[in-house]
Amino acid sequence: AQSVSQHNHHVILSEAASLELGCNYSYGGTVNLFWYVQYPGQHLQLLLKYFSGDPLVKGIKGFEAEFIKSKFSFNLRKPSVQWSDTAEYFCAVNVPSGTYKYIFGTGTRLKVLA
Amino acid sequence: KAGVTQTPRYLIKTRGQQVTLSCSPISGHRSVSWYQQTPGQGLQFLFEYFSETQRNKGNFPGRFSGRQFSNSRSEMNVSTLELGDSALYLCASGSSYNEQFFGPGTRLTVL
Repeated sequence: AQSVSQHNHHVILSEAASLELGCNYSYGGTVNLFWYVQYPGQHLQLLLKYFSGDPLVKGIKGFEAEFIKSKFSFNLRKPSVQWSDTAEYFCAVNVPSGTYKYIFGTGTRLKVLA
Repeated sequence: KAGVTQTPRYLIKTRGQQVTLSCSPISGHRSVSWYQQTPGQGLQFLFEYFSETQRNKGNFPGRFSGRQFSNSRSEMNVSTLELGDSALYLCASGSSYNEQFFGPGTRLTVL
């Protein structure tokens, strides 16, 4: 069965530190890849997505992610985090198995210390 | 454009009862998906409806069911509630192959 792994469950960083959150998926075929963010008290919202083309995608609020097909990875990065980036981050894969179905990772809670 | 709305926002039930949750998608969206969110488990896909038909189904027992109406509004029903059903239930609308727009969720507590 397809799955998405986020190995970092909790991350604590100081402001201005660099961020990289890991995401690996298990599916050998074509996938669409997403990162969603859930700020405290807010809805889940899309950070960025990858369908095809340039494997380095840029999203909102200075986030970017790199798709490495050979590693089945789609890691999220930000060069300098801010206190307002404190949130839970979810990686998701969309598998076109007849009809599309989203598979989410378990999430990474990021706390940024001011 | 109004976002995805879910009602009620909070529910407290006891074991053995049943519950119905409602979701109104963004106007024009025909796909509605339901997820269960619990700490440590992330979001687990329940089912997706498109034009009143269930198009996808996750690995949940038959106690979890849903339906979609002609106006795209969707309901989810859980029968014979168990303690482990306590969770945040999220509804999302939009294309199943593209971005999904999430509602605020319904927090269900089973006592």
